[in-house]
Amino acid sequence: ETGVTQTPRHLVMGMTNKKSLKCEQHLGHNAMYWYKQSAKKPLELMFVYNFKEQTENNSVPSRFSPECPNSSHLFLHLHTLQPEDSALYLCASSQEGTANTEAFFGQGTRLTVV
Amino acid sequence: GNSVTQMEGPVTLSEEAFLTINCTYTATGYPSLFWYVQYPGEGLQLLLKATKADDKGSNKGFEATYRKETTSFHLEKGSVQVSDSAVYFCALSETYGGSQGNLIFGKGTKLSVKP
Repeated sequence: ETGVTQTPRHLVMGMTNKKSLKCEQHLGHNAMYWYKQSAKKPLELMFVYNFKEQTENNSVPSRFSPECPNSSHLFLHLHTLQPEDSALYLCASSQEGTANTEAFFGQGTRLTVV
Repeated sequence: GNSVTQMEGPVTLSEEAFLTINCTYTATGYPSLFWYVQYPGEGLQLLLKATKADDKGSNKGFEATYRKETTSFHLEKGSVQVSDSAVYFCALSETYGGSQGNLIFGKGTKLSVKP
């Protein structure tokens, strides 16, 4: 149990579909993150939320839309995706403002766009 | 910008062999450095970290020392086990002491340990 739970674990969607990825953390952290893990590429930070405020958006296409309704939940809304968006999407959380903490990752959602 | 470079895999070793996975970084300021491990079908788990120069992180027999002079954070283990088979990621945080989730990762090195 990592304390960070992602659902669904696997998702197959067509390019015209709309779907959402969900992340929930039970660690009392105040920051949450979305990462994208593609084959042969480094993990890419997509979005950062700190105290529910989006503090970073790494030039992610608008077909990815994050939502953070509270410090425990993070969503990634997907629409009109492309096949190259197929990847493992990882959520993480951390306690910012405290020294010697670490980021905890969920198990990821394996997304396939067909 | 900041970046992390780690040796390309895959690395295949026999059980009880010595492991080194090289990692070098480019950063402004004083980043914290991390090694994460990803077992098949799992997310990432923090293996060890070091927050300042000359610090040594260690866990489960793995060690890495923060070398500012060579901008390196090489991962070592004296005797690997089959259960160590996984993908290992070197990473740095962009801000010293904070933003522990705002990480820049290397591409990962896949380790396979044969009995």
